[in-house]
Amino acid sequence: DAKTTQPNSMESNEEEPVHLPCNHSTISGTDYIHWYRQLPSQGPEYVIHGLTSNVNNRMASLAIAEDRKSSTLILHRATLRDAAVYYCILRDRGNEKLTFGTGTRLTIIP
Amino acid sequence: SQTIHQWPATLVQPVGSPLSLECTVEGTSNPNLYWYRQAAGRGLQLLFYSVGIGQISSEVPQNLSASRPQDRQFILSSKKLLLSDSGFYLCAWSVRGRVSYEQYFGPGTRLTVT
Repeated sequence: DAKTTQPNSMESNEEEPVHLPCNHSTISGTDYIHWYRQLPSQGPEYVIHGLTSNVNNRMASLAIAEDRKSSTLILHRATLRDAAVYYCILRDRGNEKLTFGTGTRLTIIP
Repeated sequence: SQTIHQWPATLVQPVGSPLSLECTVEGTSNPNLYWYRQAAGRGLQLLFYSVGIGQISSEVPQNLSASRPQDRQFILSSKKLLLSDSGFYLCAWSVRGRVSYEQYFGPGTRLTVT
């Protein structure tokens, strides 16, 4: 799977939007972009995924650059419960596994 | 609804002792199953995954092994634990072939090798 680059850490104020960036300059045409998050002492949980178009769900939005070499996970209104490590992962369509990197540790400031 | 169970929740084992961690999934059939390890302060490392009974793929050479004796049961084992085996062990499952490829993780087992 192609590699992703994320900042090690970010901070955001509570009740404000958060934009978590991810660079994936070597993405291939069959790579899906997945986001997971891991709360302290828990297993990761699925957040959102996309291929080419922007995606929205109840948890977040995913904005994908036109050239697909970067993407941004958007939390529209951060709460303290959103403090977690966020992982951006590329998965080839034919692959049955995910490769987690080190992610971005998001801290929410009350 | 689907549920994934892991036990035990915590475990302290001496170096050289054997290990057996169990994971079971309820409410689905024919899932993909995964074992991950997370060392303290590190990211998740995929250890094994399985697409069916008796079918195990190993991602990292180590002193661990995995088995899938039943469709919804995944076992992680070791004959002799090393200090470096300490970590947070997570089991996960997914629906085979689903485009969203959502993986569902269990509560994990925190293993300390002393």
